[in-house]
Amino acid sequence: AQSVTQLDSHVSVSEGTPVLLRCNYSSSYSPSLFWYVQHPNKGLQLLLKYTSAATLVKGINGFEAEFKKSETSFHLTKPSAHMSDAAEYFCVVSPDNYGQNFVFGPGTRLSVLP
Amino acid sequence: NAGVTQTPKFQVLKTGQSMTLQCAQDMNHEYMSWYRQDPGMGLRLIHYSVGAGITDQGEVPNGYNVSRSTTEDFPLRLLSAAPSQTSVYFCASSYGGVNSGNTIYFGEGSWLTVV
Repeated sequence: AQSVTQLDSHVSVSEGTPVLLRCNYSSSYSPSLFWYVQHPNKGLQLLLKYTSAATLVKGINGFEAEFKKSETSFHLTKPSAHMSDAAEYFCVVSPDNYGQNFVFGPGTRLSVLP
Repeated sequence: NAGVTQTPKFQVLKTGQSMTLQCAQDMNHEYMSWYRQDPGMGLRLIHYSVGAGITDQGEVPNGYNVSRSTTEDFPLRLLSAAPSQTSVYFCASSYGGVNSGNTIYFGEGSWLTVV
């Protein structure tokens, strides 16, 4: 069965500095992986996804993530944080088999300080 | 392009009342799911469906019923509301399949308060 670990429940950065949100997964196969963002009192929006093509995936709003199979990681990065990036971020892994469900990490809350 | 539509967006219930959260998608997705989101606990799966006529329990199914009579609709029923069911509920859909890389699409959420 799959699982997802987000290593930090809360990350705080200053505006203009880099962002790193960490995600590790376990899966029987090479999974598809996603990052979703949720702004306060809003729904979840897809940031980016990895589907066994290029290991460096670019998403919206300047975010990108690198799939590293040897480390079973899919960390999310952004070179320069903006105030509008403050939100909750979820790492998600796709099912191994038909009939299973997507597995969500517990989330990382990103705070951006002026 | 409506995507996943949830109604109502906000609801206040009294303990013991029943209600149905509606969810519809217009993307012909096989998979539909209901999650609840509580502070500090992420998203927890309540029930899911892999196709019309097929439903199954998720992590936290107690107190909820679902049915899937059509591909498009997946309503969530609260049988007898309890304060512990105060939460934000999200409906989601996807094509599913083995390692398909299919994106999960979420509704906007339903904020439910049980008093």
